[in-house]
Amino acid sequence: QKEVEQNSGPLSVPEGAIASLNCTYSDRGSQSFFWYRQYSGKSPELIMFIYSNGDKEDGRFTAQLNKASQYVSLLIRDSQPSDSATYLCALPWPPGGYNKLIFGAGTRLAVHP
Amino acid sequence: EAGVAQSPRYKIIEKRQSVAFWCNPISGHATLYWYQQILGQGPKLLIQFQNNGVVDDSQLPKDRFSAERLKGVDSTLKIQPAKLEDSAVYLCASSPGTEETQYFGPGTRLLVL
Repeated sequence: QKEVEQNSGPLSVPEGAIASLNCTYSDRGSQSFFWYRQYSGKSPELIMFIYSNGDKEDGRFTAQLNKASQYVSLLIRDSQPSDSATYLCALPWPPGGYNKLIFGAGTRLAVHP
Repeated sequence: EAGVAQSPRYKIIEKRQSVAFWCNPISGHATLYWYQQILGQGPKLLIQFQNNGVVDDSQLPKDRFSAERLKGVDSTLKIQPAKLEDSAVYLCASSPGTEETQYFGPGTRLLVL
């Protein structure tokens, strides 16, 4: 089973700050990742998909993939209390024709006013 | 476009009882997934269907869990008999194909007493 590791948190940041969420993975063949956000009692919703090395930006969200170091991160700029949720990193498996998502345990983010 | 529908939303049963969950995917989505999410963990794939065929059921506890998607649309997941450790949220997701974004339903929260 491929492993996806996340710090469970909680990560507490003040409103307006940058929140940095990290995810490491065990398989060097992994090529792409999803970031999902899950509010308490709700189902996961897609935030970002990143395939290539480097950064991908979408509004206040930036995903960074470093295949050499086997980590992927999600930056949230100008954090808002509404960003308080659990952020799940997911690895499509097998690479390049995935059949399933392997999720990390998630990092709980708390943005305080 | 309507999202993934699931029912019931909540279920409380006693151990050794049976329970069934229903999922209706997004119209036209060929691939359907059932995930189990235990509190504090990320979702774990139980079974994946492509149309009405099973693609991956390697993590489905087949001695007690069963699932079907008879006409390639709706799906049911059954647990018989239930154990305490089956208490979790059961998430259904669908995607147009196997290499595309998965969209999650609201989930069914199961509590086994």
